[in-house]
Amino acid sequence: QVQLQESGPGLVKPSQTLSLTCTVSGGSISSGDYYWSWIRQPPGKGLEWIGYIYYSGSTYYNPSLKSRVTISVDTSKNQFSLKLSSVTAADTAVYYCARFGSYDMTFDYWGQGTLVTVSS
Amino acid sequence: QSALTQPRSVSGSPGQSVTISCTGTSSDVGGYNYVSWYQQHPGKAPKLMIYDVSKRPSGVPDRFSGSKSGNTASLTISGLQAEDEADYYCCSYAGSYVFGTGTKVTVL
Repeated sequence: QVQLQESGPGLVKPSQTLSLTCTVSGGSISSGDYYWSWIRQPPGKGLEWIGYIYYSGSTYYNPSLKSRVTISVDTSKNQFSLKLSSVTAADTAVYYCARFGSYDMTFDYWGQGTLVTVSS
Repeated sequence: QSALTQPRSVSGSPGQSVTISCTGTSSDVGGYNYVSWYQQHPGKAPKLMIYDVSKRPSGVPDRFSGSKSGNTASLTISGLQAEDEADYYCCSYAGSYVFGTGTKVTVL
């Protein structure tokens, strides 16, 4: 059973860079059938896809966030990471990592989510 | 891209059926058969319920069904049960991925 777990600071100051890591267990991040994704949900609001990465390092980002987002992968640690720069209060959200199946185009396994608050 | 449009809330009594709509454009819902639906209970991560418009993953009860007509996809829950009370989100491929605004299902 694949499991994903987000980790990182729960509080980030405005204008700084948000950094999160997702650790994958129960399966290899180097599996060619999947992309590894970040999705966020502001408190009381809906879901927003941030982007995803293939194990080779190829990335695809939401056009609305592309200028501030970097997703990277470390296959040796079975981890992938998110960096979001120049954050504001609008970036306060629960951040989820999720596995995306390229065959069925679904986010089929999700982490539990981690709340990141942007505040001074 | 703009979020797909869903009703804010729907409700029904146990045993009844409810249908949630998800309206997009020809660039997302109408252009691809890659519509999926996710169930989210409070404080929990979303769970995949339907994919490719109408397919159910293993373990999802068959009272959950999906369909699509033009630019609108729909999720129907038949034989509503108390544990179905949750938020539901549609999602469509659109060059990238766009989610719906979310619908709260209340079991009366």
